[in-house]
Amino acid sequence: SYEVTQASSVSVSAGQTASITCSGHRLGDKNVCWYQQKPGQSPVLVIYEDTKRPSGIPERFSGSNSGNTATLTISGTQPLDEADYYCQAWDSRTAFVFGTGTKVTVL
Amino acid sequence: EVQVVESGGGLIQPGGSLRLSCAASGFSVSSNYMNWVRQAPGKGLEWVSVIYASGNTYYADSVQGRFTVSRDNSKSTLYLQMNSLRPEDTAVYYCARSMHDHSIGSYFFDHWGQGTLVTVSS
Repeated sequence: SYEVTQASSVSVSAGQTASITCSGHRLGDKNVCWYQQKPGQSPVLVIYEDTKRPSGIPERFSGSNSGNTATLTISGTQPLDEADYYCQAWDSRTAFVFGTGTKVTVL
Repeated sequence: EVQVVESGGGLIQPGGSLRLSCAASGFSVSSNYMNWVRQAPGKGLEWVSVIYASGNTYYADSVQGRFTVSRDNSKSTLYLQMNSLRPEDTAVYYCARSMHDHSIGSYFFDHWGQGTLVTVSS
């Protein structure tokens, strides 16, 4: 079955740029989206179709996807961005596939 | 406003059955793709099941043959019948609407409920 992996944790200083990566075989051939989940809350879509932001998502969230790696970038990271982030792709065999999740800590 | 609200979770013994409900408002469950996604305590997200607008259903291998997704269009409600429950089914179960564009291979969840906790334990 198709799998996507993420680093378990990323730390970033407030105001700096956080990069969260998601790796999978030929992931660049698929559309990737990203969810933010804060403790005790439901996931929230922050990026879809690799680079698109839903209405209401700040411009500091951006995405890219090429080769075997998709990246979620948070520019000018704020303390309220501290959360778990999950990438997600689609596989014809297993349907929705989530990444393992990355905990972002804002120092 | 699009909203989904889950209910029906609780404590159940291994081998038991439970039915979850998801009440949708602001859109029609009959013309959308509706899913169940779960999250075990302290763990990541796991897709469980989807029901297409056509009525076709699909399941993760981990629940195939034990779980059944269905909907009541008149009540705009999604269900998940869970049988032969195992301790590893313990999780928060989320109801989520997904958007599908087969022409470009785009599939994502745009609205999630708050989740309902299912605990399988003796």
